[in-house]
Amino acid sequence: DADVTQTPRNRITKTGKRIMLECSQTKGHDRMYWYRQDPGLGLQLIYYSFDVKDINKGEISDGYSVSRQAQAKFSLSLESAIPNQTALYFCATSDPRQGKHGYTFGSGTRLTVV
Amino acid sequence: GENVEQHPSTLSVQEGDSAVIKCTYSDSASNYFPWYKQELGKRPQLIIDIRSNVGEKKDQRIAVTLNKTAKHFSLHITETQPEDSAVYFCAAINGGSQGNLIFGKGTKLSVKP
Repeated sequence: DADVTQTPRNRITKTGKRIMLECSQTKGHDRMYWYRQDPGLGLQLIYYSFDVKDINKGEISDGYSVSRQAQAKFSLSLESAIPNQTALYFCATSDPRQGKHGYTFGSGTRLTVV
Repeated sequence: GENVEQHPSTLSVQEGDSAVIKCTYSDSASNYFPWYKQELGKRPQLIIDIRSNVGEKKDQRIAVTLNKTAKHFSLHITETQPEDSAVYFCAAINGGSQGNLIFGKGTKLSVKP
């Protein structure tokens, strides 16, 4: 089934470590996003990409970087993880050209920084 | 940029009652307003959306209304059931139809049997 896949599903890492979260999609959508979810704070946009050559910062990009390796792949990196980056991370896709403004979310990656 | 406010943050209703969640937005150029439902431990899923050229849209027990003048939109759930218990997020497109979604902070709905 066409979908958005995130790996890993859960990860515990130590402070100062570099970690990469991966997202791949089979929906053929151009746009991909990374969101962070914290209890009571909703979904906050970290980075977004409208195509392979177009990367944009979101509301809370500090401490994060991204790579759009292909139309189907969008990775999020924490260069030096810190405890307040403990959160649930979601990747999402959309394709307004197809009239699909609504997002399809991945299953999420639960990251714990100790 | 766009700012989306969502109220209430928590809502508890008895099974069979109606539930209403309200959102306001700041960018008058926004023209697409989706609602997402997130069950515990799962991904947010689109349940209904509305575009700015429509004032109301219904899908079985759920409906969304939009007041462009006042810049607010609402989700209405009738005849609530325990399986409606979840966190609901509203969102609005930032910067017109080519922008990205900005989400409200969510409403935790609890439906008591």
